[in-house]
Amino acid sequence: QKEVEQNSGPLSVPEGAIASLNCTYSDRGSQSFFWYRQYSGKSPELIMFIYSNGDKEDGRFTAQLNKASQYVSLLIRDSQPSDSATYLCAAYPPSGTYKYIFGTGTRLKVLA
Amino acid sequence: IAGITQAPTSQILAAGRRMTLRCTQDMRHNAMYWYRQDLGLGLRLIHYSNTAGTTGKGEVPDGYSVSRANTDDFPLTLASAVPSQTSVYFCASSEKGSSGNTIYFGEGSWLTVV
Repeated sequence: QKEVEQNSGPLSVPEGAIASLNCTYSDRGSQSFFWYRQYSGKSPELIMFIYSNGDKEDGRFTAQLNKASQYVSLLIRDSQPSDSATYLCAAYPPSGTYKYIFGTGTRLKVLA
Repeated sequence: IAGITQAPTSQILAAGRRMTLRCTQDMRHNAMYWYRQDLGLGLRLIHYSNTAGTTGKGEVPDGYSVSRANTDDFPLTLASAVPSQTSVYFCASSEKGSSGNTIYFGEGSWLTVV
């Protein structure tokens, strides 16, 4: 069973702090990885994707990928109350299957 | 605004009734998907389509059917709704090799079967 594992949380951080969200995946053949933010009652919206080892930065967000450890993380700098949401990690499987693998999400609470 | 349009946004449906959830995308993506999301279970794939004219089963296909007559439309049909199909349904699409194979979601259809 191919899986993406996330801690369900909630992860609570004070406003202005760095929030660190983590994800592990089981399929070494996974090609790319995604972080989505989902507010309650809304659909998942893409924050960023990553497919190369290392860091990828976009504004306050940094995704980190370590394929050797099968580990993906998302750092949110200067966390704001508006960042409070559930964050979904997803993996794109080996070519041809089209069956993305989603984690169940980590709930983040940013405390004002 | 380009993206994925789902209809209806929400619906209350009597058990045993037939229901079709509509999904249209204007991004010309080859692949389309239907997921359901339930508390504690995350997103679960119902059916998918790699390209127009082809469909495939996901992890929870029972009680659902799909068709893909063209690139843009991917309707999901519940032939005879049951209360366990109460959920939020997300249509999604992706294009292989584009934006890291990112999958994009519609706004969702909230379905209650009573």
